[in-house]
Amino acid sequence: KAGVTQTPRYLIKTRGQQVTLSCSPISGHRSVSWYQQTPGQGLQFLFEYFSETQRNKGNFPGRFSGRQFSNSRSEMNVSTLELGDSALYLCASSLVSVQDTQYFGPGTRLTVL
Amino acid sequence: AQKVTQAQTEISVVEKEDVTLDCVYETRDTTYYLFWYKQPPSGELVFLIRRNSFDEQNEISGRYSWNFQKSTSSFNFTITASQVVDSAVYFCALRYGGSNYKLTFGKGTLLTVNP
Repeated sequence: KAGVTQTPRYLIKTRGQQVTLSCSPISGHRSVSWYQQTPGQGLQFLFEYFSETQRNKGNFPGRFSGRQFSNSRSEMNVSTLELGDSALYLCASSLVSVQDTQYFGPGTRLTVL
Repeated sequence: AQKVTQAQTEISVVEKEDVTLDCVYETRDTTYYLFWYKQPPSGELVFLIRRNSFDEQNEISGRYSWNFQKSTSSFNFTITASQVVDSAVYFCALRYGGSNYKLTFGKGTLLTVNP
């Protein structure tokens, strides 16, 4: 079974721009979560989607948004990029319930100049 | 509030040594789930183990073993006879048993195994 895939793997943007990251979950997985990893803050939860609905949200500004499609693929968008948004963005997928393990993709490394 | 503490920021050992990575957690929930993930330099988080709060049985998988003790809120991870390929950052994570799928991660422990 293929793992979680994320595209693109690397991205360079400038301040003020917006960016869209994509995540394809493991086949059959319906929950997709997004995390931001930075050296200073570590791994922080952004949001989680299930059946095209956002079920949970972390403490991030409204510039961070996401969506999920009917095939469970998910995208996250960051508008008006700031230098502090430079990070590794990780997507994780799991089956359905809270007991299920989250499996992570390789991440998208975003650099904001 | 949930919290995971990995007090060891960095550990360096010589190949074949045993090493234990500590994880202490805080939660008010009676049902919760604990995880260990490995992050090699490539960046992907690799799942190692999940333990449910109602299952305190320790687990061994090859050279890896985990010691879960609810009395001390700890979920420690031991690598026996470490190898260079074990070099990575290891994260302990906690998720409560309610409807929130958020994983709360510790800061991670960088393990370096030298030949």
